[in-house]
Amino acid sequence: GEDVEQSLFLSVREGDSSVINCTYTDSSSTYLYWYKQEPGAGLQLLTYIFSNMDMKQDQRLTVLLNKKDKHLSLRIADTQTGDSAIYFCAERNSSASKIIFGSGTRLSIRP
Amino acid sequence: NAGVTQTPKFRVLKTGQSMTLLCAQDMNHEYMYWYRQDPGMGLRLIHYSVGEGTTAKGEVPDGYNVSRLKKQNFLLGLESAAPSQTSVYFCASNKNWGEQFFGPGTRLTVL
Repeated sequence: GEDVEQSLFLSVREGDSSVINCTYTDSSSTYLYWYKQEPGAGLQLLTYIFSNMDMKQDQRLTVLLNKKDKHLSLRIADTQTGDSAIYFCAERNSSASKIIFGSGTRLSIRP
Repeated sequence: NAGVTQTPKFRVLKTGQSMTLLCAQDMNHEYMYWYRQDPGMGLRLIHYSVGEGTTAKGEVPDGYNVSRLKKQNFLLGLESAAPSQTSVYFCASNKNWGEQFFGPGTRLTVL
């Protein structure tokens, strides 16, 4: 079945770039998402990319998709304390009505 | 526009008790979902619905039942609560292929 994997933790220094990685198994994934969850809150969509794209940039966020290796990454430039959260990678294929989520990467920022 | 709301926000149950969690959305979304979130395990899909009157099992459906009698509401029931059902429960909804919107979560403890 489909599977999405992420590392559980990432620690970066304030002002540096953060890169959160994700791998998925479903070769027919059509949409790939990054969600952000702040403490005590639900998930909010951060950005998404269609499978026919290699890259998407939105202000401090850059999403890279390597479809051949089934690898997705989220880069956050100039990481700030407000970026501390859990980041979830997720995918959906064209025939599925559900989204498959990874286990989430907890990003912590050190001064 | 309230988005996705969940009631209650917190609940403590004793083993064997029953309860119903209510999810409501005012965005006219066809798709609704119930997830549970446990530390280090990300989001796991319990049940979902692709339209009024329809429901389907997700990844971890055992011990839960759902109903979608009205398009805007999706109810999650626990008939006989067990300590293993202690978790944070999230409801979500989306239009076909659209962004999935999440509720704020219900924190349930079963003693």
